[in-house]
Amino acid sequence: ETGVTQTPRHLVMGMTNKKSLKCEQHLGHNAMYWYKQSAKKPLELMFVYSLEERVENNSVPSRFSPECPNSSHLFLHLHTLQPEDSALYLCASSQEGGATDTQYFGPGTRLTVL
Amino acid sequence: RKEVEQDPGPFNVPEGATVAFNCTYSNSASQSFFWYRQDCRKEPKLLMSVYSSGNEDGRFTAQLNRASQYISLLIRDSKLSDSATYLCVASTDSWGKLQFGAGTQVVVTP
Repeated sequence: ETGVTQTPRHLVMGMTNKKSLKCEQHLGHNAMYWYKQSAKKPLELMFVYSLEERVENNSVPSRFSPECPNSSHLFLHLHTLQPEDSALYLCASSQEGGATDTQYFGPGTRLTVL
Repeated sequence: RKEVEQDPGPFNVPEGATVAFNCTYSNSASQSFFWYRQDCRKEPKLLMSVYSSGNEDGRFTAQLNRASQYISLLIRDSKLSDSATYLCVASTDSWGKLQFGAGTQVVVTP
């Protein structure tokens, strides 16, 4: 399935590096999300965008910076990360961002911070 | 306290058997509920929404108990392909802010 794609699929970076994660959805949806999934922990919502406007910033440290240039693309810019930021980062999209909307997830980027 | 709590399992289930498990949610204002399925090293995918009256989708039955604030999932006639982690999800916010449980692992054995 290629409804929501993410690149890269794997990323290893040092604490001083700057990198970006990319997400693209081909479903014509208006809402996009970033989640973090650490081992044995629940998915944590990081950011929500609706019609390219950020509507939720779930107390995420400033070393994570989202960007939504249009309703099909979502980026997560990373800088000066910590080893505890190593996790699977999942992007999702939904039709309108409503509470009953199904969210469709991308395959994720597995991030390792050394 | 976690917003959504699940028994992590694993639930080891013989092929063809029935398995059921619950999750509890802490926010009584939660309005929408879902079960997602996540295979090993894959992304979560919606299994089914959970409606107040309970609902069934093939071999899967979901129930909601608002009084006790829990959701259940029952899988009948388990298949090997049902082996996965099942994520319980509650939504309170109108912006689709989903609260995920950590998941219940189900292992179906031949």
